[in-house]
Amino acid sequence: EVQLVESGGGLVQPGGSLRLSCAASGFTFTNYWMNWVRQAPGKGLESVAHIKQGGSEKYYVDSVKDRFSISRDDATNSLYLQMNSLRAEDTAIYYCARGPSYGIRPDYLDPWGQGTLVTVSS
Amino acid sequence: DIVLTQSPLSLPVTPGEPASISCRSSQSLLDTNGYHYLDWYLQKPGQSPQLLIYLVSKRASGVPDRFSGSGSGTDFTLKISRVEAEDVGIYYCMQSRQIPLTFGGGTKVEMK
Repeated sequence: EVQLVESGGGLVQPGGSLRLSCAASGFTFTNYWMNWVRQAPGKGLESVAHIKQGGSEKYYVDSVKDRFSISRDDATNSLYLQMNSLRAEDTAIYYCARGPSYGIRPDYLDPWGQGTLVTVSS
Repeated sequence: DIVLTQSPLSLPVTPGEPASISCRSSQSLLDTNGYHYLDWYLQKPGQSPQLLIYLVSKRASGVPDRFSGSGSGTDFTLKISRVEAEDVGIYYCMQSRQIPLTFGGGTKVEMK
């Protein structure tokens, strides 16, 4: 069974840092695009970052560029999101989602993890 | 960035009746390879989103055949042939023609 389990969320002060992790199992992790998508409380979905197989290509939404960094460890089937200079507007549930095993971009997201809540507040 | 506009925002439905959701894109989602990069997701209450449809009309694994997708260019539609109680939730369209991937604002489907 394909599983994605996020961890690392919590309460952090504005300007602080947090590192999210996503543990993947049930599939050959190294073969797939991996992604982070967030959902602010009561709001819709926003893609945050994407990383291609092997980690050679990384993409970010403009609002997190230069503050967030996506990475992957294929040896441990893990995806990460390092979040620095956090702002109140970064408060959201952060989902890890698998992309396809092919292509020049992640053209679908399936499955999604259960999410981890990040709250940025003083 | 590509903007996706969904309608309606809210859709009261009757079990057994059909339902339809529209997604309109600010730019064509047609790639040079001939595919349109438009997906549909359902977020059931208290759950993570799940993929229903990808590349406009391909059902994801395990998705019932009462769900179907259609459209081209900038206009797309998700149809449910006969709504069931388990179909309630928020439906999102998503484009992957360009990065950043962007989502529509969502359509909340609830039982009358």
